[in-house]
Amino acid sequence: GENVEQHPSTLSVQEGDSAVIKCTYSDSASNYFPWYKQELGKGPQLIIDIRSNVGEKKDQRIAVTLNKTAKHFSLHITETQPEDSAVYFCAAKVGFNNNDMRFGAGTRLTVKP
Amino acid sequence: NAGVMQNPRHLVRRRGQEARLRCSPMKGHSHVYWYRQLPEEGLKFMVYLQKENIIDESGMPKERFSAEFPKEGPSILRIQQVVRGDSAAYFCASSSDRGSGELFFGEGSRLTVL
Repeated sequence: GENVEQHPSTLSVQEGDSAVIKCTYSDSASNYFPWYKQELGKGPQLIIDIRSNVGEKKDQRIAVTLNKTAKHFSLHITETQPEDSAVYFCAAKVGFNNNDMRFGAGTRLTVKP
Repeated sequence: NAGVMQNPRHLVRRRGQEARLRCSPMKGHSHVYWYRQLPEEGLKFMVYLQKENIIDESGMPKERFSAEFPKEGPSILRIQQVVRGDSAAYFCASSSDRGSGELFFGEGSRLTVL
């Protein structure tokens, strides 16, 4: 089955700096790659996603890039703010069904004011 | 327009007791997924249900764990004879269809086994 590795496990940046979180996946058939943000005591919330036919997607300060050849994808957050502090999860889905989605272990991002 | 509702938010059980976790999907959603999250770990898929049907339970332990999604009412994840290793956050997600829809998560139920 699909295996998703996520790095780093913790990341601390100064407010205004950029943050980059990287994930690798094992199954070349994976075709959908969402990123979720989980704030303390809350459930994960989708913040951006990318499909395998696209190399990059941007939404304001957040961008995701996908390298299918290398089987890795990254989340980029620019001009970080304290409210960006949370745990971020990447995921990869093989095939069509949502139950085939597999999650990375998470990255705890801290943005220091 | 309520999101995915889970209850209880926190549950404390002694070893050997039963835990029942409930999940009401987002309005209009008929696909429900349960995940377990251990401290400092990611979300581990447990089971996928549609109304009155278990579609995929490949991530759920064979013993002590069961799930249902009846025609009426919430989905229920049931853990019998709980052990300390069952202590975790259990998240429910729902989607509008089995594949192309976004997963919407509830706020989780945190189970502590004493």
